[in-house]
Amino acid sequence: DIQMTQSPSSLSASVGDRVTITCQASQDITNYLNWYQQKPGKAPKLLIYDASNLETGVPSRFSGSGSGTDFTFTISSLQPEDIATYYCQQYDNLPSLTFGGGTKVEIK
Amino acid sequence: EVQLVESGGGLVQPGGSLRLSCAASGFTFSSYSMNWVRQAPGKGLEWISYISDGSSTLYYADSVKGRFTISRDNAKNSLYLQMNSLRAEDTALYYCARARYGSGPDYWGQGTLVTVSS
Repeated sequence: DIQMTQSPSSLSASVGDRVTITCQASQDITNYLNWYQQKPGKAPKLLIYDASNLETGVPSRFSGSGSGTDFTFTISSLQPEDIATYYCQQYDNLPSLTFGGGTKVEIK
Repeated sequence: EVQLVESGGGLVQPGGSLRLSCAASGFTFSSYSMNWVRQAPGKGLEWISYISDGSSTLYYADSVKGRFTISRDNAKNSLYLQMNSLRAEDTALYYCARARYGSGPDYWGQGTLVTVSS
């Protein structure tokens, strides 16, 4: 099974800060990686697909990069509405899916 | 607008059974594979089951294999999860999620809560 290691598990940053989250796969997953945002009490929302493609309607301050085993998710300028938990998810061995452990983003 | 609405959750005793439903609308349900994903209280996301558009391919996580059964009725635009031999560790919010072709879930319902406790 492919394991996804996400870090940090939580972070606190100020409005306007650049925020970076990393996700490491236990084996090469090419670019088969999604990033989701989950606000408290809500369902996850797809933000980034294929590691770096922005889902329609998602603000451009969100971005993703990486391939192989190492991936990065960035919020270029943190906004109050970005408070949420973010998850990476691999789909290299469909239909099985694996999620990272999540990163909780808070405002300092 | 894509909508997925889960139902059927509740309190059940260990060893009991429950059947979850997911009503889909706003898209051609019969053209999409579907997933069930769960989230234990305060924990992360765990994929548990997949069904192809025509029900020919079924797939389960090891944690539920042999106890849970996924099914669908394309005529009723509905997805189901039959859960048997429930355990305390099955307590979670259960989401149905549409599978984007060749990728992971793109739309999720709001979830239905299953609590396994005596």
